[in-house]
Amino acid sequence: GQQLNQSPQSMFIQEGEDVSMNCTSSSIFNTWLWYKQEPGEGPVLLIALYKAGELTSNGRLTAQFGITRKDSFLNISASIPSDVGIYFCAGPFRDDKIIFGKGTRLHILP
Amino acid sequence: GAGVSQSPRYKVTKRGQDVALRCDPISGHVSLYWYRQALGQGPEFLTYFNYEAQQDKSGLPNDRFSAERPEGSISTLTIQRTEQRDSAMYRCASRHPSGSGETQYFGPGTRLLVL
Repeated sequence: GQQLNQSPQSMFIQEGEDVSMNCTSSSIFNTWLWYKQEPGEGPVLLIALYKAGELTSNGRLTAQFGITRKDSFLNISASIPSDVGIYFCAGPFRDDKIIFGKGTRLHILP
Repeated sequence: GAGVSQSPRYKVTKRGQDVALRCDPISGHVSLYWYRQALGQGPEFLTYFNYEAQQDKSGLPNDRFSAERPEGSISTLTIQRTEQRDSAMYRCASRHPSGSGETQYFGPGTRLLVL
């Protein structure tokens, strides 16, 4: 079946550092989605990407849709404590069925 | 309501019992999705509905799992003869009718523990 591979699995960074994570697929996706999940909550959509090569920002978050349509990147600049959580990439497969990666866990060291 | 609600939030049951998990979507949302999320994993698609019609149930693990949405609003995910491997967080999401697939809003989930 379809799989999305995220890396790294976990990140431990200092507050103020920039963060970069990525997601790859064995298949082409026409839309890439990035979600954040905080403890005890459901995933919340951060950024949606619709076009190969597209670069989209949402505050300190920037995501790019890879030109091969098989990968995407999410960057967070100047991290703050509330950035802690699990970041999932996802993509719609066959109509509205959305497939999620396993997530990148972001930890911020005091 | 203001958001997607799910009940119960926690369910502990003994192996072999049936459980019913409820999802109340955002008012006016046509599409409703069920996901299962194991600890340390991303949400795994189970099934989804447009109105009362089940569009895709390819993610249901086996025939012990079923879902319904008889009036196109509230949905129930039923697991019969539960097994320990069914323990997970079960999440529901709903989607606005004019949105494309990504505009899903997730509920808080039901954490199921099968002893």
